[in-house]
Amino acid sequence: DQQVKQNSPSLSVQEGRISILNCDYTNSMFDYFLWYKKYPAEGPTFLISISSIKDKNEDGRFTVFLNKSAKHLSLHIVPSQPGDSAVCFCAASELTSYDKVIFGPGTSLSVIP
Amino acid sequence: DARVTQTPRHKVTEMGQEVTMRCQPILGHNTVFWYRQTMMQGLELLAYFRNRAPLDDSGMPKDRFSAEMPDATLATLKIQPSEPRDSAVYFCASGPPGVANYGYTFGSGTRLTVV
Repeated sequence: DQQVKQNSPSLSVQEGRISILNCDYTNSMFDYFLWYKKYPAEGPTFLISISSIKDKNEDGRFTVFLNKSAKHLSLHIVPSQPGDSAVCFCAASELTSYDKVIFGPGTSLSVIP
Repeated sequence: DARVTQTPRHKVTEMGQEVTMRCQPILGHNTVFWYRQTMMQGLELLAYFRNRAPLDDSGMPKDRFSAEMPDATLATLKIQPSEPRDSAVYFCASGPPGVANYGYTFGSGTRLTVV
């Protein structure tokens, strides 16, 4: 049973517009959340993270929102750029085992020029 | 630029053969992870080590998979015997203490095809 879910396998967005990637989780013990991006033939690279004590974290064009009551988080990319085209993974870990990061299945983001 | 090095990059083998994948973590990183990426499951955590000691290998099929860290500069993932369903991309990642705040560094992966 997947503890981290990304229900949209793919997302297509026009360059300059906002990309919104969604993620849901089932484990109420998760308290740290991360987003990674992955280009073909490369390993995933870290994008942004958020702790459960916050509901928003911003880094440049990337903002992650966390709704703990709904067990939902989202990644907003504004403005989207063609270089953002990648598979975006949502991931989460528990305070008591923060090393054990569980990944979602990923959403393939395509930003169309 | 520090990186996690995985070898080989590609491996094609016949069913029943032994496969060994190697990973050189970033110097100073004390936590090492093995993940597997498949189309259906996304990124699955297979096993991870801290200070070379195995902490969790619950994601790994025990009967055929084994993971070790002979020393701080080498982690290995072995499959014996290999099966077609093991075909996937295997990633190694490493991180420093308190890694969750910064994320892990992943290698480029080993693409395994078992025929």
